[in-house]
Order: sequence, then C-alpha cells, then structure tokens
Amino acid sequence: NAGVTQTPKFRVLKTGQSMTLLCAQDMNHEYMYWYRQDPGMGLRLIHYSVGEGTTAKGEVPDGYNVSRLKKQNFLLGLESAAPSQTSVYFCASSYMTGGSNQPQHFGDGTRLSIL
Amino acid sequence: LAKTTQPISMDSYEGQEVNITCSHNNIATNDYITWYQQFPSQGPRFIIQGYKTKVTNEVASLFIPADRKSSTLSLPRVSLSDTAVYYCLVGDIRGNDMRFGAGTRLTVKP
Repeated sequence: NAGVTQTPKFRVLKTGQSMTLLCAQDMNHEYMYWYRQDPGMGLRLIHYSVGEGTTAKGEVPDGYNVSRLKKQNFLLGLESAAPSQTSVYFCASSYMTGGSNQPQHFGDGTRLSIL
Repeated sequence: LAKTTQPISMDSYEGQEVNITCSHNNIATNDYITWYQQFPSQGPRFIIQGYKTKVTNEVASLFIPADRKSSTLSLPRVSLSDTAVYYCLVGDIRGNDMRFGAGTRLTVKP
C-alpha cells in the first residue's frame, strides 16, 4: 500500500519554463490537496479537489493550475515558472466518514527550484 | 478565516511531558483541529484530531476548551525521536479555509 506518491521528488527549472507535478493516491480518497511549504510559513493550500472532475482555489492559487481527471490522480501545473515558486510542494488526500473529517495523508514532497 | 498561531520552538528533556498550544480565535463551527508531526525531508504525519473536549490516543492527548479558540497537544514522556516540527491545522477538509500554523520546532535533549 503506497499511500500518496508524488512525482518527481526533485526538479530544477529555469524562469518561464512549465512543468507538471503528479500526485497519485491508492486509498480511494475523495479529497485531494496541493500545498506549498516555505521556511517559517508552514503549509499553505494552493488548490484542492472534493471529487473527480472538480477543483477549487485555496489560499495561494496564483500561478498554478490543477486537474483531477481521475479520482486517484491530482496534477499541479506551473505554466510559466517564477523564482517565487521555489518551494517544497506536498500533496495530500483525505475522506469523510459519518459526516466527520478524517486526517489528511501526505506524500513526501517535491522539491522545486526555479532559477 | 481561522488563523492559527503556535510557538516557534520549544526545548524539553527525555522523559518529560511536553505541551504545545495553538491559538485559533476565529475557528468556525465546522472546523476540526488536527496536529501533525514532520521530520526533515518527509511529509507531515498525523498525530491526533479533535473537535471539542479531550481526545487521547496511543501517542498523544489533545485538549480543547469549550470556546475552541485554542488547543493543546500533550506528548507524554518524550524521547529523542520526538524531535521534530509540530503543526496545528484548523479547518474543514471540504473547504479552502484550512490553515496550518507556522509550526513548533521541538528539540528533545538527553
């Protein structure tokens, strides 16, 4: 049982390049999330999805796009990378049961540097 | 939106009890309070979650007062392996108002 898997683990981009980060979960969770983590700021929500085919903006969505074509996958795209997007990106998934929140399960992150 | 505030760092010694408090004055009715532990180069790992009163599991306790404007994570008898960053998260997983605190770096000394 792999849980939440993020691809790639590391990447270096030049300003203006584009790329897609892939998140895959094998727990059949409805909810998926993309966060960025910067020093001293904790994790901030970029975009999230409450089900296949649906996405919504989080706290810091500018410069990013997402897609959830399949329930198990959640893609994060950077159309034109900027140095301010240098960060560690975490994907998470979760579900509800009995009307109650369940904890999020996190991947191990993608370390992205933009020069 | 619930803003979460927690101490930047704490020091402790092996065998002591550690209490980390998170403030969330604007918590909403549907919000849950969840604590995560993070080691370097890893994703956050779930510790405990609660909505109100007290919750206890095999590794920690979570105390939430009646007004829910703060919460306290209690780690009994910490060991060196508990050295990590601890995050408080307040929100509802169905919405975009989830807010992590900036994290508390706990250092356990021998």
